[in-house]
Amino acid sequence: DAKTTQPNSMESNEEEPVHLPCNHSTISGTDYIHWYRQLPSQGPEYVIHGLTSNVNNRMASLAIAEDRKSSTLILHRATLRDAAVYYCILYGSARQLTFGSGTQLTVLP
Amino acid sequence: GAGVSQSPRYKVAKRGQDVALRCDPISGHVSLFWYQQALGQGPEFLTYFQNEAQLDKSGLPSDRFFAERPEGSVSTLKIQRTQQEDSAVYLCASSPSGRLNTGELFFGEGSRLTVL
Repeated sequence: DAKTTQPNSMESNEEEPVHLPCNHSTISGTDYIHWYRQLPSQGPEYVIHGLTSNVNNRMASLAIAEDRKSSTLILHRATLRDAAVYYCILYGSARQLTFGSGTQLTVLP
Repeated sequence: GAGVSQSPRYKVAKRGQDVALRCDPISGHVSLFWYQQALGQGPEFLTYFQNEAQLDKSGLPSDRFFAERPEGSVSTLKIQRTQQEDSAVYLCASSPSGRLNTGELFFGEGSRLTVL
């Protein structure tokens, strides 16, 4: 599966929106974009996934560029409980998800 | 509970001991994955089961690592003759289907192994 590039860390203020970027310039046409997050001392947790169109759920929104070479996870109103490592993962022909090192999000009160 | 359950949550082993880590996936889930997560790094894939069949074990780091899922539900990851480099959190995940395109992966809280 193709690789993704994410910033190592980001900061956000509580109750403000957060935009977490992900570059995946070598994405193939059949690769899905998955986002997971991992809170301290817990296993990863599914956030959202998409293929071509933007997606919304109760946790977040996923904005996918028209050329699909990048995407952005949007947390509309960050809370302290959103502090976690966020992983952007391309899912294609392999059965498993391949995690990178993710973005450590710090939420400031 | 309704989630993926792993035991023990914490395990301390002396170098050379054998350990067994258990995973109870969500009932009815077809796919089961094991991952290894070293401190400060993302999870790394170890092995994958579809029902009782181990379809991919390409991530197992050595022949000291062995996983099984004999009845297609509970799975055990066994590590023989543990080494210090085996110290990590071992994560189990399950999914209702064989593909994740329309579904998600549910993770347990992990088993933290420390080898002294």
